[in-house]
Amino acid sequence: QVQLQESGPGLVKPSQTLSLTCTVSGGSISSGNYYWSWIRQHPGKGLEWIGYIYHSGNAYYNPSLKSRVTISVDTSKNQFSLNLSSVTAADTAVYYCARDLVLAAGQDAFDIWGQGTMVTVSS
Amino acid sequence: AIQMTQSPSSLSASVGDRVTITCRASQGIRIDLGWFQQKPGKAPKLLIYGVSTLQSGVSSRFSGSGSGTDFTLTISSLQPEDFATYYCLQDYNYPYTFGQGTKLEIK
Repeated sequence: QVQLQESGPGLVKPSQTLSLTCTVSGGSISSGNYYWSWIRQHPGKGLEWIGYIYHSGNAYYNPSLKSRVTISVDTSKNQFSLNLSSVTAADTAVYYCARDLVLAAGQDAFDIWGQGTMVTVSS
Repeated sequence: AIQMTQSPSSLSASVGDRVTITCRASQGIRIDLGWFQQKPGKAPKLLIYGVSTLQSGVSSRFSGSGSGTDFTLTISSLQPEDFATYYCLQDYNYPYTFGQGTKLEIK
């Protein structure tokens, strides 16, 4: 079955760029009508959708983060990545990658999630 | 962005109880709504998508209803493993937005 696994540094200095990778195993990132998303959760708080990428490279970002976010895909490695620039302590969160199945009727099913990775922004 | 307002923010209930959690959207979202369960230290788990379609493997104790702006998640008979935090998500338009969560605790 398909699994997602986040990887990247757990500690990032303020003003630097947070970089995470999500590796997809058990299936191809290019198959099906799947969009690949990043979602974060501040400590003790709710969930925030960051953005998605399609295997073609088309991406959409949450306007609240748009100026700092880049999501990219590497189909040869079956991975997609998140870059968040100019981080501050407010970017400290658990970051999840997730698979979003877009159905024919337009509804989405975020059916598979990575386990999440905690990223702390601190000097 | 569409705002999703969940109520209540917390709820105490007993095993066997029937509970309902509500999610209200700031504008109509058709039936583009999902529900997730999250336990401490774990990733969210999809329960329902498209308002009422049960994700494969999810207990039939869970059901969803609604359309437009008002939606509900119902757990018909609470089991010990159901105590968790629940979130709704609108996937009608971007940016997708979650409700603030409902923490379901044991009474």
